[in-house]
Amino acid sequence: GAGVSQSPSNKVTEKGKDVELRCDPISGHTALYWYRQSLGQGLEFLIYFQGNSAPDKSGLPSDRFSAERTGGSVSTLTIQRTQQEDSAVYLCASSLRLAGRRFGYEQYFGPGTRLTVT
Amino acid sequence: GDSVTQMEGPVTLSEEAFLTINCTYTATGYPSLFWYVQYPGEGLQLLLKATKADDKGSNKGFEATYRKETTSFHLEKGSVQVSDSAVYFCALTQGAQKLVFGQGTRLTINP
Repeated sequence: GAGVSQSPSNKVTEKGKDVELRCDPISGHTALYWYRQSLGQGLEFLIYFQGNSAPDKSGLPSDRFSAERTGGSVSTLTIQRTQQEDSAVYLCASSLRLAGRRFGYEQYFGPGTRLTVT
Repeated sequence: GDSVTQMEGPVTLSEEAFLTINCTYTATGYPSLFWYVQYPGEGLQLLLKATKADDKGSNKGFEATYRKETTSFHLEKGSVQVSDSAVYFCALTQGAQKLVFGQGTRLTINP
């Protein structure tokens, strides 16, 4: 079946502009995650959705970052007033959470969106 | 908080050599442990996992054993190939929560 898809694959934007990144999880996956991969910081967690709610948004680096998920499916990560330090690859992952199961949730990753802020 | 430490790279080996990439973790409770691989120009792929102590995860000739007593999950392969050249990430998660990654180890296999 189809995997996690993300769009756009590449985005170049000027400093100060807003950007929206989109993630389409695997069909039926209830959990959705955003991560950021940059040279200096490695792989960092940003936010986690279970359904449409976000029980953990502890990784969002500032209030310029926000995310939403609608219909328990597609998610959008928005970065306002972009800065050069926001340049990174933004990764989305999804997972199927089963009631009563506590361990071994595998997260499946999309190809990422490479964001470059000039 | 939870953390993962991997051996520093880059690691360069000749084809058919034995591979070990060390990974240790610090976590409360009983995390699940994973190895992810990122081939050049591609996204992150799950390589293998283990969910409880003494479990062995295996895939594509790679193995890792969940060692609770040493809080380790070292990745091993008996005979590496050029196609194994990639960046390898050790990670843990508690239930359905976020993945906590190590810093990644770049592996290059020379023919």
